Order: sequence, then structure tokens, then C-alpha cells
Amino acid sequence: DVKVTQSSRYLVKRTGEKVFLECVQDMDHENMFWYRQDPGLGLRLIYFSYDVKMKEKGDIPEGYSVSREKKERFSLILESASTNQTSMYLCAGSGGSGKGRRNEQFFGPGTRLTVL
Amino acid sequence: EDQVTQSPEALRLQEGESSSLNCSYTVSGLRGLFWYRQDPGKGPEFLFTLYSAGEEKEKERLKATLTKKESFLHITAPKPEDSATYLCAVQARNQGGKLIFGQGTELSVKP
Repeated sequence: DVKVTQSSRYLVKRTGEKVFLECVQDMDHENMFWYRQDPGLGLRLIYFSYDVKMKEKGDIPEGYSVSREKKERFSLILESASTNQTSMYLCAGSGGSGKGRRNEQFFGPGTRLTVL
Repeated sequence: EDQVTQSPEALRLQEGESSSLNCSYTVSGLRGLFWYRQDPGKGPEFLFTLYSAGEEKEKERLKATLTKKESFLHITAPKPEDSATYLCAVQARNQGGKLIFGQGTELSVKP
């Protein structure tokens, strides 16, 4: 089955640190997405990418940037972490080569980030 | 504005007590409606995709249906292991691959 992995399950950082969250997929997804999930707010789209070196802002891009240098890897960067960026971060991929799987998004296990 | 609303927010069932979760949506041209299951502390797990009104999909004790305004996730004779949060999402034709998620329904099944 499709596989989306994230570099860390849990991460603790200090305010002002630069933070990198890595996501890797092995199903040739064209599209990759970064969300954050908070109680009462649901999943909110931060950034997404339809192709290598392409990126599009989602609904809440402020304070974040992304990088997609290779098709299988999509990185989320917190330039200067703040306490309000404490959250669960979820990466997803879509557009795999299998029939009927062009639109579904497949999620990684998530990274629980705490900013102190 | 494209929007997804799920109800109820939380649902408690006894084992074997069948019920349904609702997902109401407004979208300018539906490309697909998706159901996910999410266990605490984990990423959402894909369950179903529905593309057109009248379509139904089944998996074990779960059955998803779709009308022009809403989708239902029917749970027949649930077991405690069905306890999870169920998320509904829609994809609009003019939004590329983006999904719009509802807030989810937290299902608890007691033995």
C-alpha cells in the first residue's frame, strides 16, 4: 500500500529555533500537502505542492515555508518557532499511479511538535 | 464558500448498536467526497471515496452513501475497535487536489 513517512513522531523545540519537518512518500505522488491539526479547529492546510520545486499557499501559511527539491520529499520549515505553532503536523500525498487513486490523500503518522 | 459540517460531534454507542454519522457539504462542483478514520495521536486512515449521488461503498461494518447535499457513514453492529474519530472531506472541481475537512465525529463504542 501507499507509504507516507514523517521524520519524527514527537519533537520539542524552543521559541525562535528553526525547525524542519520532513515527509517522504514512496508511491510517486505528484501532490503533497502539509496540515496542522488542533482541537476544535480540525485539519488546516498550510502549504501544498503539485510538482517538484512548486509550492502553493494553503489557508494558514504565515510563519511557515516549504521545500520540494525531489518528488518524494516535502519539507515544512518553521523559520522561527513560536509557542502558537505547537500542534500536530500531518503530511499527505495524492496522485499515485494506481487506478482510482488519483484524488485520495494518504497521510503520514504525524509529528507532535511542542514549542517551549 | 465551500464548507463541510459533520454531526454529531460525539457519539457514544453500545456494542452492537447500529447508527449513522452525517456529513453535510456545500461545494461548487463536487469532484469527490472522502471518509477517513483517525485514531488518537495518529494520522487519518483512508476509508472511502464517493464521486456521485447514489453511490455506496462498504467495508466490513461500515457503509458510506452519498446524496447531492450530504453523506452518511452507517455503522452496523459496531465493536469497541470501531472507536475513533471519523473525518469527512470534499474536493471541489476547481480546487485541484485540495481537500476541505469537517471537524469530525468522535465515536465511542462501549462493550
